[in-house]
Amino acid sequence: AQTVTQSQPEMSVQEAETVTLSCTYDTSESDYYLFWYKQPPSRQMILVIRQEAYKQQNATENRFSVNFQKAAKSFSLKISDSQLGDAAMYFCAYRSVGGSEKLVFGKGTKLTVNP
Amino acid sequence: KAGVTQTPRYLIKTRGQQVTLSCSPISGHRSVSWYQQTPGQGLQFLFEYFSETQRNKGNFPGRFSGRQFSNSRSEMNVSTLELGDSALYLCASSLGQGFSYSYEQYFGPGTRLTVT
Repeated sequence: AQTVTQSQPEMSVQEAETVTLSCTYDTSESDYYLFWYKQPPSRQMILVIRQEAYKQQNATENRFSVNFQKAAKSFSLKISDSQLGDAAMYFCAYRSVGGSEKLVFGKGTKLTVNP
Repeated sequence: KAGVTQTPRYLIKTRGQQVTLSCSPISGHRSVSWYQQTPGQGLQFLFEYFSETQRNKGNFPGRFSGRQFSNSRSEMNVSTLELGDSALYLCASSLGQGFSYSYEQYFGPGTRLTVT
């Protein structure tokens, strides 16, 4: 079974600074998808960024980028120019390639953005 | 396009009762997944439906069940509620075409269930 580990329960960053959230995973599969989801307080979960394992190029979405290290099974999220609206719980998630949509989530990292 | 909707948003039940939660996916989405979110266990997969068929099931007792209708709407039911069932129940929908491009899931706001 696949597992996802987020070793930082909480992180804080100053507004306009850069922060990196860590995620490692364990799998025996060679192809899969990885995601970062954001869950603001009392708000619904939204997809931040995704990465297909077969792609060597790291995904980027505006201020959000990932550092995908397949051999190390590492998938970190970098947030540049942090904004107050980035404050939220961030979840790393794994999904196998295949028929099932099942996501395996890490425990999450609570990000605080200080003005 | 309207997002994923879940009803009710909040629910308070007593131990031993049963509860039914509803999820309406984004129009055109055929796959619906359910997750339980608690502070202790985090986000755990409950089950997944595609075209009215349960495609996958998580490690939950048989008190947890679900179904999907022909219009892709889904319901989950929890019978004989226990205090530990108190959680945020999240529904997610996607196109559900397997391992093609359609791997993005969109989450609803959740139903907050409190069991007393």
